[in-house]
Amino acid sequence: KAGVTQTPRYLIKTRGQQVTLSCSPISGHRSVSWYQQTPGQGLQFLFEYFSETQRNKGNFPGRFSGRQFSNSRSEMNVSTLELGDSALYLCASSSTTGATEAFFGQGTRLTVV
Amino acid sequence: AQSVTQLDSQVPVFEEAPVELRCNYSSSVSVYLFWYVQYPNQGLQLLLKYLSGSTLVKGINGFEAEFNKSQTSFHLRKPSVHISDTAEYFCAVSAVSGGYQKVTFGTGTKLQVIP
Repeated sequence: KAGVTQTPRYLIKTRGQQVTLSCSPISGHRSVSWYQQTPGQGLQFLFEYFSETQRNKGNFPGRFSGRQFSNSRSEMNVSTLELGDSALYLCASSSTTGATEAFFGQGTRLTVV
Repeated sequence: AQSVTQLDSQVPVFEEAPVELRCNYSSSVSVYLFWYVQYPNQGLQLLLKYLSGSTLVKGINGFEAEFNKSQTSFHLRKPSVHISDTAEYFCAVSAVSGGYQKVTFGTGTKLQVIP
């Protein structure tokens, strides 16, 4: 069974640009969550999607958005990038909305210069 | 609302010594509890989980955790650590919120094993 796949693994962007990150969950999983991890703030929850609907949202500005497709694949978009958006972005999938363990991808390392 | 507190941000310990990583949670409803480990530049992977039944849960790599409902704690322990255990450890709680299960992660504890 393939694991959670995040693409790309590494990304360098310039301030002001926008970026889209992709996450393919484990087959059959309908819940996808996104997290931002930085040395200063640690692991912070961005949002969760379940069956194409956003079910939970963390405390991030509107520049951070996401969506989920009918095949459960999810994308996360960050517009007008800031230096502080440099982080490891992690995606996690689970078979239900949190009742079982989450399976994480290896993350996308975003560097904003 | 639920929350998770990992009391120590960093824990240094000598190789072959025992270690305990502390986790406390708050929730007004029944919970599921998890510990995850993250190695450098990797995602998180599950160490162990408590869903129900025995309060002592054994996981991979010799780790175990004990669910204490009265103390609302789920501390992670290992009797003898190895260099390879150097990593960041996250406690997580899953509980019903707003009609469905919601997972909340702690801020993490960095375990540094000293040779």
